Formats: sequence, structure tokens, C-alpha cells
Amino acid sequence: AQSVTQLGSHVSVSEGALVLLRCNYSSSVPPYLFWYVQYPNQGLQLLLKYTSAATLVKGINGFEAEFKKSETSFHLTKPSAHMSDAAEYFCAVSDPGGGADGLTFGKGTHLIIQP
Amino acid sequence: DTEVTQTPKHLVMGMTNKKSLKCEQHMGHRAMYWYKQKAKKPPELMFVYSYEKLSINESVPSRFSPECPNSSLLNLHLHALQPEDSALYLCASSRDSLSYGYTFGSGTRLTVV
Repeated sequence: AQSVTQLGSHVSVSEGALVLLRCNYSSSVPPYLFWYVQYPNQGLQLLLKYTSAATLVKGINGFEAEFKKSETSFHLTKPSAHMSDAAEYFCAVSDPGGGADGLTFGKGTHLIIQP
Repeated sequence: DTEVTQTPKHLVMGMTNKKSLKCEQHMGHRAMYWYKQKAKKPPELMFVYSYEKLSINESVPSRFSPECPNSSLLNLHLHALQPEDSALYLCASSRDSLSYGYTFGSGTRLTVV
């Protein structure tokens, strides 16, 4: 069974500082990996996805993530945090074998931006 | 149209009521999903429809009854719910390959009283 682990339920950074949100996956085969953001009382918005093409993936709002098979990681970064980045972030994994079998989400990381 | 539309946005219902949640997309996606999200928790998969057929039911109680009348529409019928069923119910859709990711709706905030 696939799973993802997000280290740190809360991460606090200063405005303008580097954002690093950690995600490690557990899967017998390299999976597809996703990062989603959720603002209060809203649905989930896709930030970026890894689907076995380039290992460095660029997403929306200046975020990017790097797939590292040797470390089974898919950490999310942004060079300079903005107040509008404060939200809940979810890493998710799916089976690359095809078929609509749903996503498995990590527990989420709440990103706090300090002024 | 690149959206998944969910109605209503908020719903309060009694434990003896019958209500329905609606989800609609016009992106030509052939897979549609219902997720349940409790406060401060990740979404949990409830149902998956692929080409209008139920393909996954994650052991959801029978008081939740999904329906997919056509490729654009997904309903979740609710009956005799419990207060612990109060949550954000999210609908999502995807093409038949997961490589394209999901598009989520903004959800229905359900409160059972």
C-alpha cells in the first residue's frame, strides 16, 4: 500500500524566507506525486505534480518540488514566502499503474507566514 | 470550463432528513470522486466512479448513497446521518489517467444536528 509522510504538522517562516515542506513516500514502485494547497473553507488546488517525467517540477505561485528516488522524497520549496502562502498543504500519492483509484493524502502541513 | 461545481456550499440537516449533494463538471473527465474531510484532517476517499460506473466504495456506511446519472454529474444522497458525519464533502474529477491530477470542487460544508 502506498503512503506519504509529511514531516511537521506546522511550519512557520518569515515573509521573504525560504519555504520548505517535507514529503516522503512509501511505495513499491515510483508513484505519481502531487502537492495541493487548501485555503480555509475551500477545496484543494493543485500546485504541481510529478508523473515520471522531469524530476524537478515547477508549479504555480512560485512553488517547485524535486523527486528524489534515492531518498523517496518529494519536498516542496519556494524561494521567498509571501503572506498569501499561509494555508494547509497536502502531499498526495497515486498508483502509476493507471485506473481511477483515488489519491492517498499525507496528514498535511499548516504553513504560517510571520510578518 | 475548468471547474468542478458543488452545490450547496453549506447544508444543515437533521438526523432524520434526506438530502443530496450535487457535483458537476464539463471538462470531459470520465472519473469522478467523493472525498470526506474532517476538520484539520486530510481528505479521505469515499467513492470513485469511472465511466459512470462505481469502481471503488471505501467501506462507506449505507446512509451515504452515490449516484452518477451521466458523465458530467455526480450526486451523493444522504439519509439518517449522524452528527459525526459533519464534515466538508469534496468532489473531484480527473481524466481516466491519473497523470493529469485531479480538479477539486470547493466542497459542501455539512452539519448534522
